[in-house]
Amino acid sequence: EPEVTQTPSHQVTQMGQEVILRCVPISNHLYFYWYRQILGQKVEFLVSFYNNEISEKSEIFDDQFSVERPDGSNFTLKIRSTKLEDSAMYFCASRRDSGANVLTFGAGSRLTVL
Amino acid sequence: GENVEQHPSTLSVQEGDSAVIKCTYSDSASNYFPWYKQELGKRPQLIIDIRSNVGEKKDQRIAVTLNKTAKHFSLHITETQPEDSAVYFCAASNTGTASKLTFGTGTRLQVTL
Repeated sequence: EPEVTQTPSHQVTQMGQEVILRCVPISNHLYFYWYRQILGQKVEFLVSFYNNEISEKSEIFDDQFSVERPDGSNFTLKIRSTKLEDSAMYFCASRRDSGANVLTFGAGSRLTVL
Repeated sequence: GENVEQHPSTLSVQEGDSAVIKCTYSDSASNYFPWYKQELGKRPQLIIDIRSNVGEKKDQRIAVTLNKTAKHFSLHITETQPEDSAVYFCAASNTGTASKLTFGTGTRLQVTL
């Protein structure tokens, strides 16, 4: 069964450092998402991406965040200057097309900011 | 925007009993309602979903009901087993071009022997 793959599985960084989280969505999917889950809390939407541009972003997705699809396979989330409160599990997800609502999630990247 | 409320936050049932988790949503444009199961440290996994053109859907021991008028939907698990223990999240979205899922706050289900 096709999977969304994410790297790294866990990253520890110092406050103020930049981090890049990488995702490889399922190959025939067209819609890509990043979600965040702070430990013990609900899954929160960050950003959606379609046709090489951001479709929607949440209040969490401020100027410190950016997304990119640098090639035909990778979808990255960059946090320019990490804060302690950015510590969370970050999930990438993808969806096939507008008629199919089912989101497939990756295994997540745990970010720890010290 | 959409707001999804979920309760209870924790639920403990004995093995073999039924479990019911309820969610309400605010946006009448929402028309897709999935339920995800998340085991500790793992990704959310879709277990069942329902679209607004139906009122109920079943898959073996799991069923979901939807009341569009009242804007609420529920997950029913019958004959619970220890492996059903997990956190369950409801979610809602519409079928817009890049529709996002808005998640509820989660229910921690504990199935005891």
